[in-house]
Amino acid sequence: DVKVTQSSRYLVKRTGEKVFLECVQDMDHENMFWYRQDPGLGLRLIYFSYDVKMKEKGDIPEGYSVSREKKERFSLILESASTNQTSMYLCASSPRGAGELFFGEGSRLTVL
Amino acid sequence: QKEVEQDPGPLSVPEGAIVSLNCTYSNSAFQYFMWYRQYSRKGPELLMYTYSSGNKEDGRFTAQVDKSSKYISLFIRDSQPSDSATYLCAMSWGGTSYGKLTFGQGTILTVHP
Repeated sequence: DVKVTQSSRYLVKRTGEKVFLECVQDMDHENMFWYRQDPGLGLRLIYFSYDVKMKEKGDIPEGYSVSREKKERFSLILESASTNQTSMYLCASSPRGAGELFFGEGSRLTVL
Repeated sequence: QKEVEQDPGPLSVPEGAIVSLNCTYSNSAFQYFMWYRQYSRKGPELLMYTYSSGNKEDGRFTAQVDKSSKYISLFIRDSQPSDSATYLCAMSWGGTSYGKLTFGQGTILTVHP
């Protein structure tokens, strides 16, 4: 089975802190994605990557950055967390050319 | 206007009912249509995947796509309490954007025993 693992299920951070969310997939997928999920807004794409060291902005990249140094690992970075970044963050991966995304279980971040 | 609009619900039905979940979209470039199911405190998982207009059936689930009306639906027959979840429609353009999906807002479904 494809497994996408997000390092932290629940995090509580303070405003201004730097936050790292880590995601690892074990199926050698080329594509990796970070979405955030908010009630009434669905899933919104933050960043995605088609290859190692490659990244592209999604629909809501402001306040976020990403890193993909290895094929299996895609990190989301909040340089200075703010309360409006309180959300559920979902990492996903897919093989090149495939439409199906495989999701992790999510990281619920609360910024106080 | 959002690119993808989904009936917000929530939807509450008795066991055995037929459930209809719907999405409309504005971008005619969308070519691939999916339904994801998300259980509480879990990530979404793919339920149905369609490309062409028409119906696709998988057990109790039927996905319907009408590209001319920019409208997709998911029907659940003989609904079960285990179907209680959030249902998300999703779409993509294909080509180099193949892996990038645009999601609807999600509909929370509760099936009562």
